[in-house]
Amino acid sequence: KNQVEQSPQSLIILEGKNCTLQCNYTVSPFSNLRWYKQDTGRGPVSLTIMTFSENTKSNGRYTATLDADTKQSSLHITASQLSDSASYICVVRDSGGYQKVTFGIGTKLQVIP
Amino acid sequence: SQTIHQWPATLVQPVGSPLSLECTVEGTSNPNLYWYRQAAGRGLQLLFYSVGIGQISSEVPQNLSASRPQDRQFILSSKKLLLSDSGFYLCAWNRVSGANVLTFGAGSRLTVL
Repeated sequence: KNQVEQSPQSLIILEGKNCTLQCNYTVSPFSNLRWYKQDTGRGPVSLTIMTFSENTKSNGRYTATLDADTKQSSLHITASQLSDSASYICVVRDSGGYQKVTFGIGTKLQVIP
Repeated sequence: SQTIHQWPATLVQPVGSPLSLECTVEGTSNPNLYWYRQAAGRGLQLLFYSVGIGQISSEVPQNLSASRPQDRQFILSSKKLLLSDSGFYLCAWNRVSGANVLTFGAGSRLTVL
């Protein structure tokens, strides 16, 4: 059964600090992995996409890494801002016929001043 | 550019009443359409997906149904709501080809009393 596990479940950091969110998956066969940001009461928005051959990808202050061998990904947020407060969801797609996606529960990040 | 609209944003309904959530996509044709439910502390759960008009696939047995009367319109319905139907419902679309990024609507918060 395809699974995506994220840690920590929640995180509180001071504004300006860095943080790293983790994602472990057992989806097979693997196609790609995305990190989404979901503001409270809104739909998720894609931040980055990682394919099998990509190790690191940045989007502004967000940097995602992927280790396809260990089936782990991380999302690093640099110099956090209050607007980074949100849930961050790891989503993994398989490369099967219907290309289904599996969602993690998400990490709820709160940035405090 | 493509946009996705979902309404109503918030809904409070008594047990046993009917439900209709509507989702429309603009700026594209023949999209894949999805309905997800996000319960507190849980990942997004796929309820229905559609690859074309009149084509609906259900992922989990439930009290809900979906319909796609037009290419870019996806409706989530129930004849009689249950307390357990409360949650945050998200409509999403993507294309079959390419990076398959899911684009989500803003969500509909349903509370069944």
